[in-house]
Amino acid sequence: QKEVEQNSGPLSVPEGAIASLNCTYSDRGSQSFFWYRQYSGKSPELIMSIYSNGDKEDGRFTAQLNKASQYVSLLIRDSQPSDSATYLCAVNMGSYIPTFGRGTSLIVHP
Amino acid sequence: DADVTQTPRNRITKTGKRIMLECSQTKGHDRMYWYRQDPGLGLRLIYYSFDVKDINKGEISDGYSVSRQAQAKFSLSLESAIPNQTALYFCATSDSGQTTNEKLFFGSGTQLSVL
Repeated sequence: QKEVEQNSGPLSVPEGAIASLNCTYSDRGSQSFFWYRQYSGKSPELIMSIYSNGDKEDGRFTAQLNKASQYVSLLIRDSQPSDSATYLCAVNMGSYIPTFGRGTSLIVHP
Repeated sequence: DADVTQTPRNRITKTGKRIMLECSQTKGHDRMYWYRQDPGLGLRLIYYSFDVKDINKGEISDGYSVSRQAQAKFSLSLESAIPNQTALYFCATSDSGQTTNEKLFFGSGTQLSVL
């Protein structure tokens, strides 16, 4: 069965620190990788997508992909309390529909 | 503003009742999806549709049915609701015309409680 694994957390970091969120996936042929942010009681919102090995930066967010290790991560620099949310990793594993991990809860404390 | 709208936002029903959750979108996207979210379990796909004449089961379709009435409308039905269908339900859309067409846009969700 194709799976996407995330540590459920919570991951607690102080304001201003770097938050590192990790995700592994089971299908070596996967091509598309996404990070969604979901605030409590709200719908998921896409914040990053990555398709090739290496790093992709967008403001305070950096997505990192290592297909050989079947690993994708999200770094949040200068973490703010407003970054406190659940972060969902999603991977396209052979179909055109992403498979979601269970999400990692991030808490940024002042 | 182009949007994905779900109705109702909240619904409480009794075991055995038939209910319908509705989704409409003004994004012009051709692909639509229904997911459910349970605490600690992430998002699980119930059904998806790539165009009006295309309906496909997801990983947890038992107990559910769908109807794609138009490109912009995709409804989810629970024929005979049971308590373990209590969950947060999301409709989502994507655009096959985009190079990266797996990006999903979500509605605000419907919290369903089955007593």
